[in-house]
Amino acid sequence: DVKVTQSSRYLVKRTGEKVFLECVQDMDHENMFWYRQDPGLGLRLIYFSYDVKMKEKGDIPEGYSVSREKKERFSLILESASTNQTSMYLCASSPTGGSSYEQYFGPGTRLTVT
Amino acid sequence: AQKVTQAQTEISVVEKEDVTLDCVYETRDTTYYLFWYKQPPSGELVFLIRRNSFDEQNEISGRYSWNFQKSTSSFNFTITASQVVDSAVYFCALSGWSGATNKLIFGTGTLLAVQP
Repeated sequence: DVKVTQSSRYLVKRTGEKVFLECVQDMDHENMFWYRQDPGLGLRLIYFSYDVKMKEKGDIPEGYSVSREKKERFSLILESASTNQTSMYLCASSPTGGSSYEQYFGPGTRLTVT
Repeated sequence: AQKVTQAQTEISVVEKEDVTLDCVYETRDTTYYLFWYKQPPSGELVFLIRRNSFDEQNEISGRYSWNFQKSTSSFNFTITASQVVDSAVYFCALSGWSGATNKLIFGTGTLLAVQP
């Protein structure tokens, strides 16, 4: 079974703090994704990576950055957390090779910024 | 532009009722894939089904069935004889190509509450 793990289920941070969300997958997938989920808005893509050190902006990259130094690990960074970044963050991975492959999701991190 | 619309924000049914979750999509691609995911209260999205644009056959898996109609750009999901364990948020998604790799465009989700 594909396993995608996220470093924390719940996180509380203060405004202005630098926040790291970590995601690890164990299936040697090339692609990894970060989404945020908000009520009424569904899942919105923040950033994704299709290879080590390669990244692309998704639909809402502002205020975020990412890092992928190893194939299995994809980090989401909030350089200076703000209250409007309070949300559920979901990480996913998928193999490469066309659009048929479903994405496998981690359990999510619920981040609260106070 | 690619888009997925799930017009039903919340649905509440009583156990054993049948329920259909609607999904309408927009894409200019001739080849694409459609997906359904389930998100139970635990939070993790669980993959349910994938359908490619060339296969319009309906699919049945136990109490779940999917109706794909290209003519109406719809990919609806029916749960027969619903159970309390079906309570979850259900997302419909459409495949897209970023130029570098495949990605998914999600609808806003439908919250299904099955009452005992």
